[in-house]
Amino acid sequence: GENVEQHPSTLSVQEGDSAVIKCTYSDSASNYFPWYKQELGKRPQLIIDIRSNVGEKKDQRIAVTLNKTAKHFSLHITETQPEDSAVYFCAANSGYALNFGKGTSLLVTP
Amino acid sequence: ETGVTQTPRHLVMGMTNKKSLKCEQHLGHNAMYWYKQSAKKPLELMFVYSLEERVENNSVPSRFSPECPNSSHLFLHLHTLQPEDSALYLCASSQELAGASYEQYFGPGTRLTVT
Repeated sequence: GENVEQHPSTLSVQEGDSAVIKCTYSDSASNYFPWYKQELGKRPQLIIDIRSNVGEKKDQRIAVTLNKTAKHFSLHITETQPEDSAVYFCAANSGYALNFGKGTSLLVTP
Repeated sequence: ETGVTQTPRHLVMGMTNKKSLKCEQHLGHNAMYWYKQSAKKPLELMFVYSLEERVENNSVPSRFSPECPNSSHLFLHLHTLQPEDSALYLCASSQELAGASYEQYFGPGTRLTVT
């Protein structure tokens, strides 16, 4: 199937700093790009998504940008807090389902 | 119960056993999915169902057999598994197929250990 590449695999930031996670996709037909957060021992949950008709979307401290020409999209978390510590997955729709990246383990230290 | 539920939450089975994982969604969705989550390949898609019809089988070994009797229930029947099949098995659902840009809602998962 089509691939979604995600970087970095681990990210450590101090509380209050910003965190950026980047993804690239290969299916030129993809038009939906969600981000999921998975806390330790819990299920993945959608935190924000973007469709290809917009280039940026923001929800409080979280923002996602999309560059369709370059086939990459990014998650930006500002003013990070310890409760932001989790694994974050990007995804892109392809065929019948979503293709997920391998995840980024974010650690926010007080 | 609300959302997507899975039972059992934990399962230990021998390689010669036969067991089944159950998923139920209470959201009125038409599409359901099975994923395998392991350290090496997070969120690996296994099967996709739309209105009880399987639309995708992602090169999964035949020792995994899915069943979707109705749009609210999804099963994964397991037999003669291997130790490398040990993983977290996640069920998900969406209003329609996620390829058409619908959010997926995940269940809590079944932690499977094959001994």
